[in-house]
Amino acid sequence: GAVVSQHPSWVICKSGTSVKIECRSLDFQATTMFWYRQFPKQSLMLMATSNEGSKATYEQGVEKDKFLINHASLTLSTLTVTSAHPEDSSFYICSALTGENTGELFFGEGSRLTVL
Amino acid sequence: AQSVTQLGSHVSVSEGALVLLRCNYSSSVPPYLFWYVQYPNQGLQLLLKYTSAATLVKGINGFEAEFKKSETSFHLTKPSAHMSDAAEYFCAVSRSRSASKIIFGSGTRLSIRP
Repeated sequence: GAVVSQHPSWVICKSGTSVKIECRSLDFQATTMFWYRQFPKQSLMLMATSNEGSKATYEQGVEKDKFLINHASLTLSTLTVTSAHPEDSSFYICSALTGENTGELFFGEGSRLTVL
Repeated sequence: AQSVTQLGSHVSVSEGALVLLRCNYSSSVPPYLFWYVQYPNQGLQLLLKYTSAATLVKGINGFEAEFKKSETSFHLTKPSAHMSDAAEYFCAVSRSRSASKIIFGSGTRLSIRP
């Protein structure tokens, strides 16, 4: 199957700093990527839909100024957590669609963010 | 609106025993249904999916699921559990075959006893 890679896998930062997480589709082009947040022992919650070349679409309740998403190319989407606080600590997962209507959805390995 | 409900946040079975993970869905349109597996600190891997073809869907690692419209269920089964099956399992529903805008259930943690 297709490969989606996230970097970094683990990141620890101080409160108030910004952290960038990358999501790359390694062997296919993805016009659409998704970002999810997962709290311990809970399910994945969709945060936003990232579309190449246009602004991301955020789910209700997700602060777009807090979680900046950029999809600058067909193989890369980035999530930047700005002015991170301890409550932003979580497991962030991305996924990418291989095609719009009949494509498959492939997930990255996830990135664990810990804000001190 | 669409939703899925997974009954039982934790299921424990003995190695070699039947695995049954329950999932019920709610959807105002014909649903596309998915089962994903997540190992610790990893992303999700697709086990199988129902896309309105055969109601009995076979997936990877010996898992299968049956779509029952009358019961609005899509339970996941495996005849004989293996230690390597221990993981978190998510049932999910989508309006599209490609699983965009997918909605996940709360997850079921499967433990395997030696």
